[in-house]
Amino acid sequence: AQSVTQLGSHVSVSEGALVLLRCNYSSSVPPYLFWYVQYPNQGLQLLLKYTTGATLVKGINGFEAEFKKSETSFHLTKPSAHMSDAAEYFCAVNHAGGTSYGKLTFGQGTILTVHP
Amino acid sequence: EAGVTQFPSHSVIEKGQTVTLRCDPISGHDNLYWYRRVMGKEIKFLLHFVKESKQDESGMPNNRFLAERTGGTYSTLKVQPAELEDSGVYFCASSQIARDGNYGYTFGSGTRLTVV
Repeated sequence: AQSVTQLGSHVSVSEGALVLLRCNYSSSVPPYLFWYVQYPNQGLQLLLKYTTGATLVKGINGFEAEFKKSETSFHLTKPSAHMSDAAEYFCAVNHAGGTSYGKLTFGQGTILTVHP
Repeated sequence: EAGVTQFPSHSVIEKGQTVTLRCDPISGHDNLYWYRRVMGKEIKFLLHFVKESKQDESGMPNNRFLAERTGGTYSTLKVQPAELEDSGVYFCASSQIARDGNYGYTFGSGTRLTVV
């Protein structure tokens, strides 16, 4: 079974500060990992994903995440927070292969607040 | 291209009533998924269609939930009779086929269901 844990349901940063949202996963097979963002009254938008290859993945809006197999982590970072980054962020792992391909297991979500 | 469309965006119904949620996927996307987020909890998988067939319905909570995808196009999710614990946000997503998991979902904006 796969699971995802996001440390911290709420993270608050100052504008211009580093954003770090933590995600740890458990998976019995090599995982595909995703970060999604949800802005108010909108759907889930893909920020970035890791499938194979380079472990440092760059996404939209200046975000990036690094897959660390030894730590079973996929933390999301952004060097300088912007007010527009305020949203809820979700880490997810994919069930690759078999009859459950495409099925995502999500973490609990982290609400990011950016203050001036 | 048009995105994934869900309606209604909000629905408030009384316990015991029936509600039908609809999802229109991106044209040409064979895969269609339903997810649900109950308040305070993580987003959870409900089921997965490939065209008109149910590929995986392991996440359906009970037999009060019925999902259909007529002709492999739009999908409906009916809750009958609705209970208080069914309240939450119901998300639909679609994707093109990729059995290795290397794909990109597109999510709809969700339907917020409130059962009173």
